[in-house]
Amino acid sequence: QKEVEQDPGPLSVPEGAIVSLNCTYSNSAFQYFMWYRQYSRKGPELLMYTYSSGNKEDGRFTAQVDKSSKYISLFIRDSQPSDSATYLCAMSWGTGNQFYFGTGTSLTVIP
Amino acid sequence: DADVTQTPRNRITKTGKRIMLECSQTKGHDRMYWYRQDPGLGLRLIYYSFDVKDINKGEISDGYSVSRQAQAKFSLSLESAIPNQTALYFCATSGVLAGDYNEQFFGPGTRLTVL
Repeated sequence: QKEVEQDPGPLSVPEGAIVSLNCTYSNSAFQYFMWYRQYSRKGPELLMYTYSSGNKEDGRFTAQVDKSSKYISLFIRDSQPSDSATYLCAMSWGTGNQFYFGTGTSLTVIP
Repeated sequence: DADVTQTPRNRITKTGKRIMLECSQTKGHDRMYWYRQDPGLGLRLIYYSFDVKDINKGEISDGYSVSRQAQAKFSLSLESAIPNQTALYFCATSGVLAGDYNEQFFGPGTRLTVL
């Protein structure tokens, strides 16, 4: 079993839709949860970062962590064509420790 | 100018050849990482270095070696390339200057094809 599981999609939504991206994990020691966005032919860039359980909001983006279920989510409200990218979840058990990445979900927002 | 640069950006080589991928950073970070990305497998850690004298194996280090020539430079070598090393390779950095070590900054990637 992989440490981190993520549905690869692809996911295609109309502009303005609410998008939900999810990852599950098996290692209960994970404490830090990240979402990276990767545009085509680019390196990943950090989008959201959460420590332990709970919600974090940044503009149109909300990250949720449910440690009891070993489940994390990223919600995108009012999705825009510029949100079209691959979204990767990542986790670690301590600051600076090895990251474990999901496989990424490819998202296309159709104008 | 980009903070994390990788050279070359694209490389096609033949089985058995020795290949070096180079990474340089101007962010002043002490930690550097090499990943490979494959469709369906995501990003997997090859090697990481917490400082010039500290190098560690990642999840998939077999067939690879690294050299940390300076704080700002981290090279990945394939001693004898094989076709299943065809992938997109990323260098990343992190440092306490970013608040903590949990934000990694990625380079633009090197697309390597081994024939």
